[in-house]
Amino acid sequence: AQSVTQLDSQVPVFEEAPVELRCNYSSSVSVYLFWYVQYPNQGLQLLLKYLSGSTLVKGINGFEAEFNKSQTSFHLRKPSVHISDTAEYFCAVRPLNTDKLIFGTGTRLQVFP
Amino acid sequence: GAGVSQSPSNKVTEKGKDVELRCDPISGHTALYWYRQSLGQGLEFLIYFQGNSAPDKSGLPSDRFSAERTGGSVSTLTIQRTQQEDSAVYLCASSLGPPEGVNTQYFGPGTRLTVL
Repeated sequence: AQSVTQLDSQVPVFEEAPVELRCNYSSSVSVYLFWYVQYPNQGLQLLLKYLSGSTLVKGINGFEAEFNKSQTSFHLRKPSVHISDTAEYFCAVRPLNTDKLIFGTGTRLQVFP
Repeated sequence: GAGVSQSPSNKVTEKGKDVELRCDPISGHTALYWYRQSLGQGLEFLIYFQGNSAPDKSGLPSDRFSAERTGGSVSTLTIQRTQQEDSAVYLCASSLGPPEGVNTQYFGPGTRLTVL
C-alpha cells in the first residue's frame, strides 16, 4: 500500500520570504510524484511532476521540488512567495502499477503582506 | 479549449435521497477519474475509467456509490440513500491514456455535496 504524508497542515509566511512545504511518501513500488495547487474556489492545477531523470524539478509560478529517494521525500520550495501563492497545496504519488493518484491531506499556505 | 466541467456546482440533499453528479471530461481524453475531498481526509480516489476497459472501482467506499461513463465521454457518479458522511466535494479529472498521458490529470471545479 502507498501513503503520502504532509506533516504541516498550515504554513503561514510573509510575502517575499522563502517557503518549503514538506511531503513524504511510503510505497512498496516505484512511484511518480506530483504537486498540485488549489486556489480558493478553484479546481486542482498541476504545479510540477517528477517522472525520472534530474531529481530537481521546476514547475509553474517559480516553484520547484526535489525528489530524495533515500528519504522518500518530495519537498516543494519557492525562494520568494507572493500574496497570490495563498492556496492549498497537495502532494500526490502515482504507483507505477496503477493509474490513480494517492494524495496527501494538503498544506494550506497563507502568505501575509 | 474547454476544461473539465462538472455539474451541479453545489448540491444540497436530504439524508436518504439519491443524487447524481455529472462530469464532462476534456474532449479526446480517454481516462476519467472521480475523487472525493472531505474535511480532514484529503483527496480520496473513488473510481477510474480508461477507454473501454472495465473501470477500477477499488476506491468506492460502499455499494451505495456507483458510476458510469457513457460513450467514452460523460460520466455520472450516483450516490444512493445518501448519508451525512457523504458530504464532501466530489472532483472529476480526465487525462490522455496510458502510459504517460495519465501523468497529467486535469481536474474540474468539483461538486460540493451537502447531506442534511
